[in-house]
Amino acid sequence: RKEVEQDPGPFNVPEGATVAFNCTYSNSASQSFFWYRQDCRKEPKLLMSVYSSGNEDGRFTAQLNRASQYISLLIRDSKLSDSATYLCVVNLKDTGRRALTFGSGTRLQVQP
Amino acid sequence: EPEVTQTPSHQVTQMGQEVILRCVPISNHLYFYWYRQILGQKVEFLVSFYNNEISEKSEIFDDQFSVERPDGSNFTLKIRSTKLEDSAMYFCASGGTTETQYFGPGTRLLVL
Repeated sequence: RKEVEQDPGPFNVPEGATVAFNCTYSNSASQSFFWYRQDCRKEPKLLMSVYSSGNEDGRFTAQLNRASQYISLLIRDSKLSDSATYLCVVNLKDTGRRALTFGSGTRLQVQP
Repeated sequence: EPEVTQTPSHQVTQMGQEVILRCVPISNHLYFYWYRQILGQKVEFLVSFYNNEISEKSEIFDDQFSVERPDGSNFTLKIRSTKLEDSAMYFCASGGTTETQYFGPGTRLLVL
């Protein structure tokens, strides 16, 4: 099983749509979780951290289900500028490691 | 807003040559990282650096690679004898006391 697994997409949605991405991770000891976005040939940019209680930042909502080892990202009212690849990222903090483990990303294309 | 910077943005080299990639992390950060992304693949961890020493490295980071913080601001990645398969985007990242890591714009390395 891959350490961090995502549906590669692409997800093609119209402007204004709501879209959800899912991610599973293999290591139950993983402690920190993030969503990054990556535009074509650019660096990953932090979108949001994911907390056990779930968290929201404007149109973006992230959820964590530790029992199922599952993370989700919900984007409401999609904008053209949301078109990017969304990277699910985990950090195995409890052993002192800070290395981030990336999923392969889910590509989103928002269409006018 | 402070950001991580990297130079050069692009580097073309011949197989067997040495390259040095440079990074200036965010000034008050304590943890420094190198990642790479081969075209079309996921971001992979190479090495982390804290308190003037390597704190963790991946299997990719073999004897051909080294890192250095020669002064108070720069953080470098050296590849001693480049191979064709070293062609990739190399990202530097830095982090403070939290787990969040901020990525630089990357250096695109092409080995011919």
